[in-house]
Amino acid sequence: QVQLVQSGAEVKKPGASVKVSCKASGYTFTGYYMHWVRQAPGQGLEWMGWINPNSGGTNYAQKFQGRVTMTRDTSISTAYMELSRLRSDDTAVYYCARGRPIEWELEGSFDYWGQGTLVTVSS
Amino acid sequence: SYVLTQPPSVSVAPGKTARITCGGNNIGSKSVHWYQQKPGQAPVLVIYYDSDRPSGIPERFSGSNSGNTATLTISRVEAGDEADYYCQVWDSSSDHPVVFGGGTKLTVL
Repeated sequence: QVQLVQSGAEVKKPGASVKVSCKASGYTFTGYYMHWVRQAPGQGLEWMGWINPNSGGTNYAQKFQGRVTMTRDTSISTAYMELSRLRSDDTAVYYCARGRPIEWELEGSFDYWGQGTLVTVSS
Repeated sequence: SYVLTQPPSVSVAPGKTARITCGGNNIGSKSVHWYQQKPGQAPVLVIYYDSDRPSGIPERFSGSNSGNTATLTISRVEAGDEADYYCQVWDSSSDHPVVFGGGTKLTVL
């Protein structure tokens, strides 16, 4: 069965960076886009960007350009999201979510989600 | 950028039908996806491409999309349906191509 298992909670100081991992199993990791979505406490969902695990190609939401980096390690079927220059309003649960097969059109739904990783930014 | 508008809350008695709307400019020309999120849990896809149900999602969940409004309909509502529901579309012409609605809290009375 498809599973996305994320790394544990993090506490960071303002200005620091955080790197969240998402280990995929139960499917061909390089066959599907991986997206990252975050949710601030009590707030809605916010899309951050995607990575093509096959090519390593990425696309980030304008809001996060210059601060976010999405990478992958195909040898261990794991995607990563690194956010730098953290601020208090980056405090949120960060999710990875599987998108469409890479040989299909990009646009579609997110059918499997990780359990989420809480990142707390506090001095 | 494209904006999706959902009512903050919807209340319904058990056994009745709940309808959660998602408004957007000419949203009928886009594909709409719906997610259910229970407290402390990750979102779960319940409807994709306007009206398709993933395997494992009860037939009580259905969707429609036309004009400026997409609708998630939950028939014969159960206590376990109480959750936040989010609609989502792609706006490929935008620098923020994936858009979520603000979410609707469904309360089962």
